[in-house]
Amino acid sequence: SYVLTQPPSVSLAPGQTARITCGGDDIGHKSVNWFQQRSGQTPVLVVHADSDRPSGIPERFSGTNFGNTATLTITRVEAGDEADYFCQVWDTTSDRRYVFGTGTKVTVL
Amino acid sequence: DVQLIQSGAEVQRPGATVKISCKVSGYTFTDDYMNWVKQAPGKGLQWMGLIDPEDGVTKYADEFQGRVAITADTSTDTVYMELSSLRSDDTAIYYCVPDSWSDWGQGTLVTVSS
Repeated sequence: SYVLTQPPSVSLAPGQTARITCGGDDIGHKSVNWFQQRSGQTPVLVVHADSDRPSGIPERFSGTNFGNTATLTITRVEAGDEADYFCQVWDTTSDRRYVFGTGTKVTVL
Repeated sequence: DVQLIQSGAEVQRPGATVKISCKVSGYTFTDDYMNWVKQAPGKGLQWMGLIDPEDGVTKYADEFQGRVAITADTSTDTVYMELSSLRSDDTAIYYCVPDSWSDWGQGTLVTVSS
């Protein structure tokens, strides 16, 4: 089955840039969504179709996808960005299904 | 505004069956597939399956195949997720999510305990 691998955690100071990777076989040929989940809250879509931002999501959030790695970048990190982040794709390699990444905890020091 | 109102928390015994509802408003019910996602305590997101409310066609994740059934009632714009043969590791929050992934139900906590 298709696997999406994320680093378990990223820690950084306010104002820095967070880069959260999502590794998967030939993920560059799939459409990637990214979700933010603050503690105790429901997930929120922050990037869809690799790099598009839903309305209301700050420009600080951006996405890229190439080769075997998709990346969510958060510039000028704020305390409110502290959350778990999950990538997601629709997998058609072996069977049609959605797959979520393992999740990355972003801690703002 | 899109609203997805899920049924309340459940406590079930191992081996039992739970059925969770998700009432939709704010968009045409048959215009979008509906997904169900599981999140165990302190864990990540796990896709369970989806339904096309227009024709009732479903697709399930292998991990839940045979134990899960997703149905849709177009007369009430409600989607249901039934999970059977419950075990302790089914304790989780379950979310309904339309295929746009922009809006999520509030989640339903299912606790499986003897």
